[in-house]
Amino acid sequence: DTAVSQTPKYLVTQMGNDKSIKCEQNLGHDTMYWYKQDSKKFLKIMFSYNNKELIINETVPNRFSPKSPDKAHLNLHINSLELGDSAVYFCASSQATAAVYGYTFGSGTRLTVV
Amino acid sequence: KQEVTQIPAALSVPEGENLVLNCSFTDSAIYNLQWFRQDPGKGLTSLLLIQSSQREQTSGRLNASLDKSSGRSTLYIAASQPGDSATYLCAVYAGNQFYFGTGTSLTVIP
Repeated sequence: DTAVSQTPKYLVTQMGNDKSIKCEQNLGHDTMYWYKQDSKKFLKIMFSYNNKELIINETVPNRFSPKSPDKAHLNLHINSLELGDSAVYFCASSQATAAVYGYTFGSGTRLTVV
Repeated sequence: KQEVTQIPAALSVPEGENLVLNCSFTDSAIYNLQWFRQDPGKGLTSLLLIQSSQREQTSGRLNASLDKSSGRSTLYIAASQPGDSATYLCAVYAGNQFYFGTGTSLTVIP
């Protein structure tokens, strides 16, 4: 199936831990994104990569570090997790000209920090 | 900065009714607008994508319109069904990213 795949789907961890979320797309897209959806369902962009290069880096704590080993993968590493990091994190991809074709989203990773 | 607002925040209708969801945005300099559906605990499914040069798009019982100059879009759902119950999000593409609204939570009562 052609899709944007995220792992894990659920992640429960203690404060202070370091965790990673992985994202892969097999759509042939060259741009990938991380979005955070808060408890009020509001989606806000965190990072965007085009062909492994960072193009959007919104105001996010530097505990969050994206890594793109190739244009089909964009991982998110989070250091020293805090309670406020609990949210659903969505990966998405598009052609660089997202203006034409829009976004395709993964199914999300629900992160709970306890 | 682009801001996207969706009204109403929640809507409950009996099965079979036609309904309209509204989306407004503050900056008309957009490339396109995309409507998504999100089921509880799930990801976002794209419903319709309207380019800035287009006025509307249709898919089955769904029709989305765009009035770029006034900063408005509507999603019309005909003959609603319980399976349409979900949160509907609109997003506008401007600059180099999509900006999302806060969504309308729709419940269709059998």
